[in-house]
Amino acid sequence: GNSVTQMEGPVTLSEEAFLTINCTYTATGYPSLFWYVQYPGEGLQLLLKATKADDKGSNKGFEATYRKETTSFHLEKGSVQVSDSAVYFCALQTGANNLFFGTGTRLTVIP
Amino acid sequence: EAGVAQSPRYKIIEKRQSVAFWCNPISGHATLYWYQQILGQGPKLLIQFQNNGVVDDSQLPKDRFSAERLKGVDSTLKIQPAKLEDSAVYLCASSSLNLYEQYFGPGTRLTVT
Repeated sequence: GNSVTQMEGPVTLSEEAFLTINCTYTATGYPSLFWYVQYPGEGLQLLLKATKADDKGSNKGFEATYRKETTSFHLEKGSVQVSDSAVYFCALQTGANNLFFGTGTRLTVIP
Repeated sequence: EAGVAQSPRYKIIEKRQSVAFWCNPISGHATLYWYQQILGQGPKLLIQFQNNGVVDDSQLPKDRFSAERLKGVDSTLKIQPAKLEDSAVYLCASSSLNLYEQYFGPGTRLTVT
């Protein structure tokens, strides 16, 4: 079956620190992988995606590389800002089917 | 382009009452999803429609939950009767047939007391 295991939080970092949120997956077939972000009081927004092995998704300074050999899709950012404080969800999708989400990681960035 | 619209944004009901949520997807999106997000967890699919047909409702508690998308556009999710454990955010998402990327609405936060 399909599942996503995500690094548990919460994570608290100082501004300009390096961020890594780990995500590993189990899937039948060849999934697409996603990171979604949920800012306080807002809905889920797509942050970045990768649709095949070795693809790198990037957006707003965040990056994640689809690693088939380790079944991972870790989220990274070189220098976080206070405005990055949010909950981050790793997710996978096979074909036109629904998304399978991890449990989410809450990031708090302090000035 | 307008996003996915949902209403109401918040709802508080007592257990055993009924409640309905409404979703209007992005114009032209054939696929519509309802997810349940319990506090501290990731969203879980309840039901997926393609046009007005059900693609997947395997995780929908059919004894109390129902959903419809009669004209293949907007959709309604109903809970009757509600239980305490139904307290969650109910998210609607839509996607086009050719591109599988899902766009989410703001959600409806349901509190059952």
